Amino acid sequence: KQEVTQIPAALSVPEGENLVLNCSFTDSAIYNLQWFRQDPGKGLTSLLLIQSSQREQTSGRLNASLDKSSGRSTLYIAASQPGDSATYLCAALVKAAGNKLTFGGGTRVLVKP
Amino acid sequence: EAQVTQNPRYLITVTGKKLTVTCSQNMNHEYMSWYRQDPGLGLRQIYYSMNVEVTDKGDVPEGYKVSRKEKRNFPLILESPSPNQTSLYFCASRIQGLNTEAFFGQGTRLTVV
Repeated sequence: KQEVTQIPAALSVPEGENLVLNCSFTDSAIYNLQWFRQDPGKGLTSLLLIQSSQREQTSGRLNASLDKSSGRSTLYIAASQPGDSATYLCAALVKAAGNKLTFGGGTRVLVKP
Repeated sequence: EAQVTQNPRYLITVTGKKLTVTCSQNMNHEYMSWYRQDPGLGLRQIYYSMNVEVTDKGDVPEGYKVSRKEKRNFPLILESPSPNQTSLYFCASRIQGLNTEAFFGQGTRLTVV
């Protein structure tokens, strides 16, 4: 059974510092990995999707990498801003019945002005 | 605007009173699913549907029903809600392919007293 872990559960950084968020998964047989942002009381906003054949994906200040062999993905956010404060979730699309997304527990990020 | 719409956003109900949470998407997606999000347990899949009239159980289906009579709609039905179904619920949709991005609704916060 696929398990997805995000450590640390919470992170606080000063504005301008680069953010590094980690995601680990136990089964490398994934179709893709998706990073989401969740603001308090709000839904999930998709940030980046990395296909299993890709090593990284970029969008603006965001860069996500994928290493299937080690079961890791990392989300980098350059030059963090207070508006980046949110919970970040990673989810792996697994090769199992239903082709479901398996989510990590999330990392709650606070960017201090 | 491409979106997944859930209603209601907030709901307080009493034990045993049947309720339906609606979900509608305007992207012509084949795959739709329901998740619940609980502190310490993360997001877990309740039910999913790969297309019209095709539904199947996710990880935590007990106490829930779904239907998929039209491609755009995927309602979640709680026939006899109990307090342990108090949670934040999300509907999601995506194209049926394996390297496609999932889109989530804004969430429904349900409290059963």
